[in-house]
Order: sequence, then structure tokens, then C-alpha cells
Amino acid sequence: DAGVIQSPRHEVTEMGQEVTLRCKPISGHDYLFWYRQTMMRGLELLIYFNNNVPIDDSGMPEDRFSAKMPNASFSTLKIQPSEPRDSAVYFCASSLSSGTGGPTDTQYFGPGTRLTVL
Amino acid sequence: GQNIDQPTEMTATEGAIVQINCTYQTSGFNGLFWYQQHAGEAPTFLSYNVLDGLEEKGRFSSFLSRSKGYSYLLLKELQMKDSASYLCASYGQNFVFGPGTRLSVLP
Repeated sequence: DAGVIQSPRHEVTEMGQEVTLRCKPISGHDYLFWYRQTMMRGLELLIYFNNNVPIDDSGMPEDRFSAKMPNASFSTLKIQPSEPRDSAVYFCASSLSSGTGGPTDTQYFGPGTRLTVL
Repeated sequence: GQNIDQPTEMTATEGAIVQINCTYQTSGFNGLFWYQQHAGEAPTFLSYNVLDGLEEKGRFSSFLSRSKGYSYLLLKELQMKDSASYLCASYGQNFVFGPGTRLSVLP
């Protein structure tokens, strides 16, 4: 299996531009997570999906951020408009349901997208 | 609310044993994860504890005490490649990650 695939790996943009990050989870996984990591704030969960449905988006910082999962093999995280404080590494991860039905099996992380907003 | 605390940095010697502690306050607590993250790389899963007690996986073991809001990751027979950040994360009403403990293994 190719693992979780993210694109682009690096993105440099200017303040005010729209940014779209993409993720392809591991085939067969029914949970998908979006994380953001910075030196100041560490690793933060932004949103996660189960069977393409958003379950918890309480970590999404503000309305400029939106995430979609149109099908089981693709998800996007969009920032519009982008700001310098959005500069971070954005990780996507996927997992299978545990025996109890929750998202508690091993999460497999993608390589991340390093976003720089100038 | 949710709060997680772990030491910022630790240093140990190759071949030794090190214990990385994690304390948490989590509403609706379900379980506690440990991840390893090498510099510039994505986190990788190490363990997930739901019940009290120690779970062993090779050189790595993880312990949980739900009543005390406490967990630790035990690394035995340390190797240079174990130099990394170790993140604990609680799963309750949502997932919350600790700040990470940067472990340096010296020869």
C-alpha cells in the first residue's frame, strides 16, 4: 500500500490567496484526520471524518478554514484567504474503526504539506 | 476541558532505560495514545491504552492509570535511532496532543 498521500508537499503563497491541500487516505480506512503542527502550538487536530462525514470540527480555527471529503478516497483542506499565521505543516492521517467502533485504531500519517504564507 | 503535560526534554545514554511521563485532564476520557516523531517527519503510532496497566511491545511499553490521569512510555535498550520527540495524546471529547518530549540518546 502506498500509505497516506498528500499534495503538495510544499506550498508557498502570498497573504490573501486561496490554498487547497489534498489527501488520499489508505484504501479501506474509514476515518480521516487533518492536523496542523507549529513550533508554538505543537500538533493540533483540526477536523476528522468518519465514512466521509465530518464528526468533529471543533479544532478548525475559523471560518477561513474548510474541509471536505467528497468520497472515501479524497479529502481537501482549504484556507481562504490565507494569512501568515497559517504557516505550518499540515498532516492528514487515516485509520480503521476499532472493535468498539470509535476512531481508536492506529492512525497512519501522511508526509505532510509544509505551508508558508508570506 | 482538556489539558496534557509532559516534560519538554530528556537525555539518556545508549543501552539505558528511559521513562517519559504524561499527565492529562480529559473530559469523557476514552484512551491515551503515544506517538514518535523524528525531526522533519510525520508522527508514527506507538501505542494506545484504554485500560489501566502496562502494555508491552518489544522495547517499548506504555502504562496507564485512569484514576490518576497518568501515563508513561518506557523505552528499553535505548538506541541512537530512538532520538526523537514523543507525543502523548488523549482521546476524550476530541483528540488533544501534548507538547511532546524531545529525547536525545547519547553514545
